[in-house]
Amino acid sequence: QLQLQESGPGLVKPSETLSLTCTVSGGSISSSNYFWGWIRQPPGKGLEWIGNIYYSGSIYYNPSLKSRVTISVDTSKNQFSLKLSSVTAADTALYYCARGRTRGCSGGSCYSGAFDIWGQGTMVTVSS
Amino acid sequence: QLVLTQSPSASASLGASVKLTCTLSSGHNSYAIAWHQQQPEKGPRYLMKLNSDGSHTRGDGIPDRFSGSSSGAERYLTISSLQSEDEADYYCQTWGTGIQVIFGGGTKLTVL
Repeated sequence: QLQLQESGPGLVKPSETLSLTCTVSGGSISSSNYFWGWIRQPPGKGLEWIGNIYYSGSIYYNPSLKSRVTISVDTSKNQFSLKLSSVTAADTALYYCARGRTRGCSGGSCYSGAFDIWGQGTMVTVSS
Repeated sequence: QLVLTQSPSASASLGASVKLTCTLSSGHNSYAIAWHQQQPEKGPRYLMKLNSDGSHTRGDGIPDRFSGSSSGAERYLTISSLQSEDEADYYCQTWGTGIQVIFGGGTKLTVL
C-alpha cells in the first residue's frame, strides 16, 4: 500500500527558506497515472494548495505563492520536495504531501484530479 | 472564478444521517469534486470522487455509510448511521481546465 511521509525541520527562522521532503513508499513516483502535491493548513484554518508536480516534469504553483515556491522530484530516491523562500509567521502551518490521480498531460498542459492518498503532515513553525 | 462554498458547521445525532453540501460557483455545474475527511489531530483522508451526475467512487476502505449525490451546482456527502468517529472536518476539492486545485472552506461536523 502506497504511503507518503513528510520530513524536514520543524522550526524555520523568518526570511529563511523552508525545505520539506515527501518520501513515497510502496509504489513508484514515476507513474504516469498520478501527480504529486503539497498542501498546507495554518493552525485552526482550512486547506491551501501549494503546488503540483507531474510525471512529465510539469509543475504548477498556487499563484499566491508562486514567487516563493519551488517543487522538485528525485525519482532515484522516490521523493519530491518543497522549498518556500522568505518565510514569515504567516507560513506557519501543517504541511501535507499527497498523491493525486491525473487526467493526463497533453499539448503542454497537465490536468489534475482528486488527491487520493495523503501524508500524515508535518508542522512547521516560523519563529526567531 | 471557480469557488467551492461549504457551510462552516453541521451537527447530527449519533446513529442518524447527515447531508453535507459543497456548492460550485456559477457556470461550473459540470465539475466533479472529491470529499476528504479530517478527524481531529489527523491528516486528511480521501473519501470519494463525486461526478456531476451523482456517480461516485469511494476510496479504499471507506464504508458505504458514506455516499455522494449531485444536483446542479450542489455536491452532497451523506453519512448514515453516524458514529462518534465521524466527528471531523469535511473538505471538498475540485479541479478543471486551467485550474489545478481548489478546496472548499470545510464543514465541521459535530456528532451529538
